[in-house]
Amino acid sequence: QVRLVESGGGVVQPGRSLRLSCAASGFSFSNYGMHWVRQAPGKGLEWVTLISYDGSNRHYADSVKGRFTISRDNSKNTLYLQMNSLRVEDTAVYYCARDPSGVWAGARFDPWGQGTLVTVSS
Amino acid sequence: DIQMTQSPSSLSASLGDRVTITCRASQSISSYLSWYQQIPGKAPKLLIYAASSLQSGVPSRFSGSGSGTDFTLTISNLQPEDSATYYCQQSYNTEYTFGQGTKLEIK
Repeated sequence: QVRLVESGGGVVQPGRSLRLSCAASGFSFSNYGMHWVRQAPGKGLEWVTLISYDGSNRHYADSVKGRFTISRDNSKNTLYLQMNSLRVEDTAVYYCARDPSGVWAGARFDPWGQGTLVTVSS
Repeated sequence: DIQMTQSPSSLSASLGDRVTITCRASQSISSYLSWYQQIPGKAPKLLIYAASSLQSGVPSRFSGSGSGTDFTLTISNLQPEDSATYYCQQSYNTEYTFGQGTKLEIK
């Protein structure tokens, strides 16, 4: 079945970097756009970034633009999120999600991984 | 950014009841609206997309309607497993945004 498994979360000091991974299985990873969505503890959902099926198009939320980079390796069925210059307010559970829509207008997230917790604290 | 506002923020209902959650966009988003269910400690799950299309595998008790700026999620014949937080999400442009969530408690 379709499965997404995030890894790489942990505790990191402000200003440092972290890279998250999302391993995909059960579907043709190279055919789908992918997203990262985060959720601060006890808060709502915040979209972070997207990447097209072939990696040629990427978009970022203003809150992470210039600090985070999304990438993918279709040969390894893996999505990445490189997070630099981390801030306390980046503390959240980070979810990867597949986009079955094929278009950016009308994008939706299905399914989601189980999430990985990133804590930014000194 | 397009702001999404849900109401109510929380509600309590009984087994078998029908409830409606509203989502309002700060500008017209056509039908680019999805609904998600999040059970505590779990990842969100897609329920409805394109405002009214039921995601495969989702019970038909869930339905969505609306277009433009006003949307609704209706859950009929409430079941214990419907206790969760529900989020709307717009995809009119690539600065995707979610509503703040509606927490549903089953009495």
